[in-house]
Amino acid sequence: AQKVTQAQTEISVVEKEDVTLDCVYETRDTTYYLFWYKQPPSGELVFLIRRNSFDEQNEISGRYSWNFQKSTSSFNFTITASQVVDSAVYFCALSRFSGGGADGLTFGKGTHLIIQP
Amino acid sequence: NAGVTQTPKFRVLKTGQSMTLLCAQDMNHEYMYWYRQDPGMGLRLIHYSVGEGTTAKGEVPDGYNVSRLKKQNFLLGLESAAPSQTSVYFCASRPDRPGYEQYFGPGTRLTVT
Repeated sequence: AQKVTQAQTEISVVEKEDVTLDCVYETRDTTYYLFWYKQPPSGELVFLIRRNSFDEQNEISGRYSWNFQKSTSSFNFTITASQVVDSAVYFCALSRFSGGGADGLTFGKGTHLIIQP
Repeated sequence: NAGVTQTPKFRVLKTGQSMTLLCAQDMNHEYMYWYRQDPGMGLRLIHYSVGEGTTAKGEVPDGYNVSRLKKQNFLLGLESAAPSQTSVYFCASRPDRPGYEQYFGPGTRLTVT
């Protein structure tokens, strides 16, 4: 069985601080995919990044960066110089590698990030 | 290009009533999914479909049925609603490429009293 753990239920920081959201996963598969989604107060789910298990390169996109470490089964997300607009619930998710579509996402419980002005 | 749409956006049901949630996508995606989101629980997979005419159970399928008669539509049915089914329901779709991200609809907020 797959499992995703986001141990931080809620994080509150002041604007311009850096913040890291932790994600630890469990899977028996050797090939899998990891995702981060953002859910702003409006409620929709916004895709942020996808990473496959063969690619351990870190990724940076503007103020966002992701650190994937297979050795610790972690896929952490860092926001640099946070802004109020970053306030949202962030979900880490895991899917199996499957050509047959049987790869619904296993989500963590989410981290509620509050950026105070 | 509307992406993934869900109908209705909100609904209140009494215990024992039935209803159907409609999900539609215009991206020609093969795979479609229904999730439910409960406070503090993240999203959990209810049912999914790998193509027209096919459906399969996810993590929490009890009390729900689904149908995929057309490729672009995925219906979620509640035959006899229970208060435990009060939740926000999200539909998603993705193309037939392994590991591709799922595109989510805006959600349906269902309350069962």
